[in-house]
Amino acid sequence: QVTLRESGPALVKPTQTLTLTCTFSGFSLTTSGMCVSWIRQPPGKALEWLALIDWDNDKYYYKSLKTRLTISKDTSKNQVVLTMTNMDPVDTATYYCARIRYSGYDWKAFDMWGQGTMVTVSS
Amino acid sequence: DIQMAQSPSSLSAFIGDRVTITCRASQSISNYLNWYQQKLGKAPKLLISAASSLESGVPSRFSGSGSGTDFTLTISGLQPEDFATYYCQQSYSTPLTFGQGTRLEIK
Repeated sequence: QVTLRESGPALVKPTQTLTLTCTFSGFSLTTSGMCVSWIRQPPGKALEWLALIDWDNDKYYYKSLKTRLTISKDTSKNQVVLTMTNMDPVDTATYYCARIRYSGYDWKAFDMWGQGTMVTVSS
Repeated sequence: DIQMAQSPSSLSAFIGDRVTITCRASQSISNYLNWYQQKLGKAPKLLISAASSLESGVPSRFSGSGSGTDFTLTISGLQPEDFATYYCQQSYSTPLTFGQGTRLEIK
């Protein structure tokens, strides 16, 4: 059974750095083709893809946020960590991690999601 | 970046109705199009991948079609549990972009 669970602070202050952890089970990020992504959703708004890390430790970022984002993995703990620097109130959102697979020539779909963690940015 | 545009942004329908949601990509994405259902306060759930492949456990009243730039999600015979927000998402290239969502409400 595949599960993902996000954890991190519910409240951060403007200019602070946010660190979120995705802890997963039921698959391994050492398996070829396996990837984990972070996606966020501001209240009442659409989903926004942020970053992805693959089994080979390749990393992909949303261009407009690239300077603020870092994604990393700890395969021994089955965790993926996202850090976002210089947080602003507009970054208030529910942050999800999700699994996606790469077939070798194309990306598949986000087939499993965590329940999400709500992060509020406020002083 | 590939932009995804959904229409309509909201839709009201009766139980039993057939509804269609449209998603248009800003460039050709072949069939690299996925559909998700999101209920209030919950994570999105994958319904259809590769434009028309129904995920295991998803009712057959859901169907997807399209290729290139234009795609549709059809729900035939709406059930009470289908009232939710639906998102399309392209997996052709990074950034893996989503549409703005279509909110489906009970009339």
